[in-house]
Amino acid sequence: GENVEQHPSTLSVQEGDSAVIKCTYSDSASNYFPWYKQELGKRPQLIIDIRSNVGEKKDQRIAVTLNKTAKHFSLHITETQPEDSAVYFCAAQGFVNEKLTFGTGTRLTIIP
Amino acid sequence: DAGVIQSPRHEVTEMGQEVTLRCKPISGHNSLFWYRQTMMRGLELLIYFNNNVPIDDSGMPEDRFSAKMPNASFSTLKIQPSEPRDSAVYFCASRAGTGQETQYFGPGTRLLVL
Repeated sequence: GENVEQHPSTLSVQEGDSAVIKCTYSDSASNYFPWYKQELGKRPQLIIDIRSNVGEKKDQRIAVTLNKTAKHFSLHITETQPEDSAVYFCAAQGFVNEKLTFGTGTRLTIIP
Repeated sequence: DAGVIQSPRHEVTEMGQEVTLRCKPISGHNSLFWYRQTMMRGLELLIYFNNNVPIDDSGMPEDRFSAKMPNASFSTLKIQPSEPRDSAVYFCASRAGTGQETQYFGPGTRLLVL
């Protein structure tokens, strides 16, 4: 089955700086890669996603890049703000198998 | 849009008791997923349904766990008998359908088994 690895597990960034979280996946057939943000005690919420026919996608301060050859994708947050502090999860979904396999999460802390 | 609805939000029970968690997906969505989240194991998919039919239950930990979806607007996850190691947050998520990948999560049920 699919295996998703996520790094780092914790990340502290000065407010205003950029944060980068990286994930790798094992199943070359995976074609959908969402990123979820989970605040303490809350539900995971989708913040951005990318499909395998796209190399990069941007939404305001958030961007995701995908390298299908290397089977890795990354989340980039620019101009970080205190409200960006949360746990971020990457995930991968196969074309045939519709299950999402999640990474282990990255706890991002923005230092004011 | 009310989003995915789960009940109860919190459940405290004693070992050996039956626990039933409930989920109402977003209206019109035809895929439903049950996840379990713990510090040790992260977010794990337990089972998912398409059009009320269970498609993959390979994540269900053991026979003590069962899930049903009697109609398009309701699903249950039952644990019988419950054990302390079942303590976790259980999320339900729904998706519009095949080809629409985005899953929307409910608020979760925080279960504590004493």
